[in-house]
Order: sequence, then structure tokens, then C-alpha cells
Amino acid sequence: DIQMTQSPSSLSASVGDRVTITCRASQSISSYLNWYQQKPGKAPKLLIYAASSLQSGVPSRFSGSGSGTDFTLTISSLQPEDFATYYCQQSYSTLHTFGQGTKLEIK
Amino acid sequence: EVQLVQSGAEVKKPGESLKISCKGSGYSFTSYWIGWVRQMPGKGLEWMGIIYPGDSDTRYSPSFQGQVTISADKSISTAYLQWSSLKASDTAMYYCARVTGGSGSYYRNWGQGTLVTVSS
Repeated sequence: DIQMTQSPSSLSASVGDRVTITCRASQSISSYLNWYQQKPGKAPKLLIYAASSLQSGVPSRFSGSGSGTDFTLTISSLQPEDFATYYCQQSYSTLHTFGQGTKLEIK
Repeated sequence: EVQLVQSGAEVKKPGESLKISCKGSGYSFTSYWIGWVRQMPGKGLEWMGIIYPGDSDTRYSPSFQGQVTISADKSISTAYLQWSSLKASDTAMYYCARVTGGSGSYYRNWGQGTLVTVSS
């Protein structure tokens, strides 16, 4: 199995901050990396696919980068609605494993 | 509009069987994989497995192989997740999602989730 490790596990930030979340794969996954946002009591929402493609309707303050084993999700200027938990997911292998999540909290 | 509608919350006892469902609409059900994801209380997302309703090709995470069965009935555009003998540790929210893309798949459309509670 390909293991996905996110860092940090939790993060405190303020509205307007620039935030970066990192995801590392246990082997190369090319650019087959997705990012999701999940708010309490809701299903996950796709933000970024194929490492850097912004899903339609997602604000442009979200961006993704990386390839191989190291990836990042950046939020350029945090908005109140961005406080949530973020997950990466690889789809290089048939088993589409998720990272453990990063909880973004208000400072 | 693509929609995935899951069956309602379930409360079961240990040892009981259960089958939950995920009905797709607004697209060709047989042309897209459907994935199942577990979320235990207060925990992260765990990928369980996927099924291709067109031919019922199914793949499981090693963590869930033998613990659950994923199936689909293409005649009614519905995928299923079932247990033959529930444990308390199966208590969780279960989501289905439509898998978009070939290599480099992603999960754009999600069901609303089915909460399964297993308690004596």
C-alpha cells in the first residue's frame, strides 16, 4: 500500500494568513494527488485534483503543487469559511489511500 | 445533476448483518467506479474499496478485505456495502462517492453519508 502522511496534523491560523499543508507519499505517485476539505457533519468536498487542478467553483485562494512524493496545499489568504479539516488522497494505485488529515483551527 | 443518495442511519447489535445502499442518478451508473469511505467518530477518512457497476469489478483495501462486501445492482443504479456480522468497531459514518477520471482518479461527487451505530 502507498502511505500518505500529512503535516502538520493540526494548525492554528488567523483570517488573512497564508497557510501551507504538506502531504508526502511513501513512493512516487506522479501527480495523482487530490485534496479535500471536510467540515463537521458534512461529506468531503473536492478542492484540487491531479496535484494542481482547481475544481470548478473552488475559490482561487486555494492552490496545489508538487509531484513525485511531496505535495502542498496552499490557502493564500484564509477566510472564516476555510476553517475545516483537509485531506490528501493518492490515486496512483488502485487503492486510493487518504492522508490522516490536517485540522485547521482559528487562532 | 449527478446525485448519490445513501440509505438512512442504522442502529444494530453486534453480530447482526447489515446492507447499506448508495443510489446514483444523473449519469450513466455503469460507466463510473463507486468508492466507499469510512469515518469513525472523530477520526479521519479511510478508503475501503471501489466497484465498477458495469461489470462488478471490485477492489478492496487490505484493511477491509474479508470484513465487508461491496456490490452493485446496475438495474437500479445502486451500490451496496454489507456486513455479515457487525462489531462495535464498525460504528462509523460511511460515505459513497463517484470516482471520476481514469488514471489519476478523484472523488467529485459524494453521498450524504450513512451513520451506522453498533451497540448492545
